Amino acid sequence: AQTVTQSQPEMSVQEAETVTLSCTYDTSESDYYLFWYKQPPSRQMILVIRQEAYKQQNATENRFSVNFQKAAKSFSLKISDSQLGDAAMYFCAYEDQGAQKLVFGQGTRLTINP
Amino acid sequence: DAGVIQSPRHEVTEMGQEVTLRCKPISGHNSLFWYRQTMMRGLELLIYFNNNVPIDDSGMPEDRFSAKMPNASFSTLKIQPSEPRDSAVYFCASSPRLVRGNEQFFGPGTRLTVL
Repeated sequence: AQTVTQSQPEMSVQEAETVTLSCTYDTSESDYYLFWYKQPPSRQMILVIRQEAYKQQNATENRFSVNFQKAAKSFSLKISDSQLGDAAMYFCAYEDQGAQKLVFGQGTRLTINP
Repeated sequence: DAGVIQSPRHEVTEMGQEVTLRCKPISGHNSLFWYRQTMMRGLELLIYFNNNVPIDDSGMPEDRFSAKMPNASFSTLKIQPSEPRDSAVYFCASSPRLVRGNEQFFGPGTRLTVL
């Protein structure tokens, strides 16, 4: 089974600074999707960004961007101009085999220091 | 749109009791997912449905767990009998179609505590 590893249980960053969250995964497939979901204190999971493995261009959504290294099986999330509202747990997820069957990493808790 | 609705938000019960968690997906969404989140195991997919039909229940931990989707606007996850190790946050999510890469829209979760 595919696995997803987030090696940083906790990260902190100063407001307005840039932070990068790491994620690695294990797969033998060539076409797949990767996601970053955010879980704020309200508990509700929200999609931040997604990347299709066949697309070489890194996905971006406003202040959020990814660094997708397919050969290295790495999928990091960069948050620019960090805001207090970015404080949350961030989960990296891989779409396993069947459509939309997600495998999540253990999460990284991001703290924003004012 | 009201989003995915789950009830109750919190449930406290005693070991051996039956627990029923409820979910109303976003109107028009054809796929529904049940997840469990614990500190030890993280976020795990339990079962998912497409057009009210269970597609994959390989994540359901034991026979004590069962899930149904009698119609497009309602699903239940039942635990009978409940045990303390079932304590977790249970999430329901829905998606417009069962297509690779589609976003899943999550509900606020039900925090279950089994004493």
